[in-house]
Amino acid sequence: DTEVTQTPKHLVMGMTNKKSLKCEQHMGHRAMYWYKQKAKKPPELMFVYSYEKLSINESVPSRFSPECPNSSLLNLHLHALQPEDSALYLCASSQVLAGVSKNIQYFGAGTRLSVL
Amino acid sequence: EDKVVQSPLSLVVHEGDTVTLNCSYEVTNFRSLLWYKQEKKAPTFLFMLTSSGIEKKSGRLSSILDKKELFSILNITATQTGDSAVYLCAVDYAQGGSEKLVFGKGTKLTVNP
Repeated sequence: DTEVTQTPKHLVMGMTNKKSLKCEQHMGHRAMYWYKQKAKKPPELMFVYSYEKLSINESVPSRFSPECPNSSLLNLHLHALQPEDSALYLCASSQVLAGVSKNIQYFGAGTRLSVL
Repeated sequence: EDKVVQSPLSLVVHEGDTVTLNCSYEVTNFRSLLWYKQEKKAPTFLFMLTSSGIEKKSGRLSSILDKKELFSILNITATQTGDSAVYLCAVDYAQGGSEKLVFGKGTKLTVNP
């Protein structure tokens, strides 16, 4: 089973709203990732969590706030977004072996976000 | 500058044709190169390559890595309409004690009946 589940599938929000994206995996992976993908572009890394600790923040604006409450869950809290933040948000996970990731990342189907 | 460059960016073929997709990269602390297929949403994993000259094969798809010349190719033989997708090449490398995956822009493959 290589399933990563993301909810919701679609989200429309106003610029003053607060919403959260959720990602779940039950593969025992200890590294989890958030990516942003604009139309006709490749995924761009936003955040990496390793053993539930934030290890990489790719200079993402503070209106995006990640959270890893346990080894199976990854959230992305959204607040005061801009229309240019509209994109497909992908979550991924991978194994971590002896501190070095076996970096086959398995992706969820994504949340398509529209900011009005 | 782009660390991972794919070519061609777009390709249209007929069913039964064989295609070769290219990926070149330039990173320090290279760990592996991965190929993904993206149709509507989630990129799905195809291959991970870490050693030069060893072909990975899965059905009609195969891939090989050249670490000296810093490139990889993905071959698809006897293409089918279901192969239509964007094929993404990604390189896993270490930077500043962390590990990152950087993607190329992808090759959009269209297979016509």
